[in-house]
Amino acid sequence: AQSVTQLGSHVSVSEGALVLLRCNYSSSVPPYLFWYVQYPNQGLQLLLKYTSAATLVKGINGFEAEFKKSETSFHLTKPSAHMSDAAEYFCAVQFSGGSNYKLTFGKGTLLTVNP
Amino acid sequence: NAGVTQTPKFQVLKTGQSMTLQCAQDMNHNSMYWYRQDPGMGLRLIYYSASEGTTDKGEVPNGYNVSRLNKREFSLRLESAAPSQTSVYFCASRTAPGLAGGPYNEQFFGPGTRLTVL
Repeated sequence: AQSVTQLGSHVSVSEGALVLLRCNYSSSVPPYLFWYVQYPNQGLQLLLKYTSAATLVKGINGFEAEFKKSETSFHLTKPSAHMSDAAEYFCAVQFSGGSNYKLTFGKGTLLTVNP
Repeated sequence: NAGVTQTPKFQVLKTGQSMTLQCAQDMNHNSMYWYRQDPGMGLRLIYYSASEGTTDKGEVPNGYNVSRLNKREFSLRLESAAPSQTSVYFCASRTAPGLAGGPYNEQFFGPGTRLTVL
């Protein structure tokens, strides 16, 4: 069955430390991949998306993600965390096939940044 | 350009009451979606409308109905609210399949409606 897994519901880092948020998907065909960020009491905002042009994708606010087909992963990273990065992050996958482009979301990872 | 707007922002209902959540987009998008967000569950698709005039069930449709009023508006109705429907509801929209960008086009989200059913 097609699924999306975000490992770690809560990640805590110190300001200036590396941020690594993990996302794995289960599909025999590479899907379309997105990362969204949700700040407290707000809607979801696109952080970045994989478009097949390059396996390393750069997004807003210094985030990037690397698509690894062999590992069925699309992990999100940022070299140096900032206090303003504290938010919930969602990996979303659009599995190939069908014409309605439905997204399947992971359960989310809450990022806490400590001073 | 307001993007995706939702009304109301907050709502408290008693069990058995009905209400309609409104969603509108001004980006000329063809497809619209309703999700619910519950702690630890991510977002789950309730209903979607691939284009004006069509609606389909998503992952968790029970207890809900939708109406695609026109290309801009997509409403979600709770006929008889239950405490299990306490949640944050998000509406989203995106360009039609087959247009420029195709499957890589992202969904745009509204600010959400926080619903409590007592």
